Amino acid sequence: NAGVTQTPKFQVLKTGQSMTLQCAQDMNHEYMSWYRQDPGMGLRLIHYSVGAGITDQGEVPNGYNVSRSTTEDFPLRLLSAAPSQTSVYFCASSYSIGLAGGAYFGPGTRLTVL
Amino acid sequence: AQSVTQLGSHVSVSEGALVLLRCNYSSSVPPYLFWYVQYPNQGLQLLLKYTTGATLVKGINGFEAEFKKSETSFHLTKPSAHMSDAAEYFCAVIGNYGQNFVFGPGTRLSVLP
Repeated sequence: NAGVTQTPKFQVLKTGQSMTLQCAQDMNHEYMSWYRQDPGMGLRLIHYSVGAGITDQGEVPNGYNVSRSTTEDFPLRLLSAAPSQTSVYFCASSYSIGLAGGAYFGPGTRLTVL
Repeated sequence: AQSVTQLGSHVSVSEGALVLLRCNYSSSVPPYLFWYVQYPNQGLQLLLKYTTGATLVKGINGFEAEFKKSETSFHLTKPSAHMSDAAEYFCAVIGNYGQNFVFGPGTRLSVLP
């Protein structure tokens, strides 16, 4: 199993550009989520999904869109990038919707918005 | 709402010394508690978790943590630090509706030779 994969690893955008961060898992997990990591703030939830066709907002959803058309994939879209979105983004998945078993995290995407 | 605090953004210990990383939480429901480790330029890896049952839980790489309800704490310990333990450590609790983790700000552990 590859686990949770994310692409790209690094990305530089200009303000106003759009892009999609890709996330895939091969463990047949129903739960998937996106977090952003900023210094001194830990990880904060952006969006999550409890199954194909079901998504919901987390703590910091503004400026981001998600969709879940398959169990395996959970892309994160930035429609118009802003410097405040400079961060490291992590995708996570869990076999348990209640998260009691913990979660598997991808290696992250480091995004810089100029 | 659930929240997590970690005392000390940076902790340094000598190789072979005791590691103690502090975590306190607030929760309106019985908490599920986690410690994750992040090595440089990598994602987070689950170290250990407490859900129910025994309050002293053992994890990977010789780490353990004790859930103390009266102190709302879940401190992480390791008897003897190794150079490979240098990383950032995050304490987390499951959020109010069970749909997300609430993370502490993290503690960076340095191990000195």
